[in-house]
Amino acid sequence: QVQLQESGPGLVKPSQTLSLTCSVSGGSISSGGYSWSWIRQHPGKGLEWIGCIYYSGSTYYNPSLKSRVTISVDTSKNQFSLKLSSVTAADTAVYYCAREGYYGSGSPKGFDYWGQGTLVTVSS
Amino acid sequence: SSELTQDPAVSVALGQTVRITCQGDSLRSYYASWYQQKPGQAPVLVIYGKNNRPSGIPDRFSGSSSGNTASLTITGAQAEDEADYYCNSRDSSGNLVVFGGGTKLTVL
Repeated sequence: QVQLQESGPGLVKPSQTLSLTCSVSGGSISSGGYSWSWIRQHPGKGLEWIGCIYYSGSTYYNPSLKSRVTISVDTSKNQFSLKLSSVTAADTAVYYCAREGYYGSGSPKGFDYWGQGTLVTVSS
Repeated sequence: SSELTQDPAVSVALGQTVRITCQGDSLRSYYASWYQQKPGQAPVLVIYGKNNRPSGIPDRFSGSSSGNTASLTITGAQAEDEADYYCNSRDSSGNLVVFGGGTKLTVL
C-alpha cells in the first residue's frame, strides 16, 4: 500500500520561501508510469494543481505559479519536494502531495494516492 | 483550452440517480478522473479512465464521456455520498493537470 506524507513548516512569513517534502512509502518514486504532484486547496475553495515531477526528472508547472515554483526529487530518500518563493497571504492553503498514473498513450489514470494534506499559513 | 467546468451544486433525493458533469475541450482527447472529497479529508479517486473504479469504490459510481463532456453518475445515492466532487484531466497540450471547480452534492 503506497502512502504519502507531507512535512514542513506550518507557518511561513510573507516574502519567504515555502518548503514542503513528501515522503513516499510502500512503493518506489522511481517507478515508471507515474508522476508526483503538489496540489493545494485554499480554505473553502477547490483544488489547484501546482506542478509535478516524473521519475525521469521532467517537471511541469501551473503557468500561474511557474515563476515561483520548483519541484525536485530525491530518489535516495524516496521523497519529492516543493519550493514556492515570495509567498503572500494568498498562498495560505492546505498543500497535498499525490501520485498520478498514466496510460501508455499519455492519458491520465487519476491521482490514486494522496497525502493527508498540511495546512500552511502565510503570516508575519 | 485548459479549463474544466462543473456545476457548483447539485442535489439528489436519497436513493435516486444523479449525474455530475464536467466540460472542457481537452476531454475530447484525454480521460477525466473523478474525486470525492468530504470535509477535512483528502480527495479520494472514485472513477478513472474510460469507466474504472479503484478497489473499494462502490459500483453505484460510474463514469462516461461524450465529446467535450465527462459525467459521473451515482445510481442510488446514499447519505454518505454527500460531498464535493471534482473532475480532473490534462490541458490540450497533455502536459499540464487541470481540475474542475468542484460540485457540491447534497443528498436530500
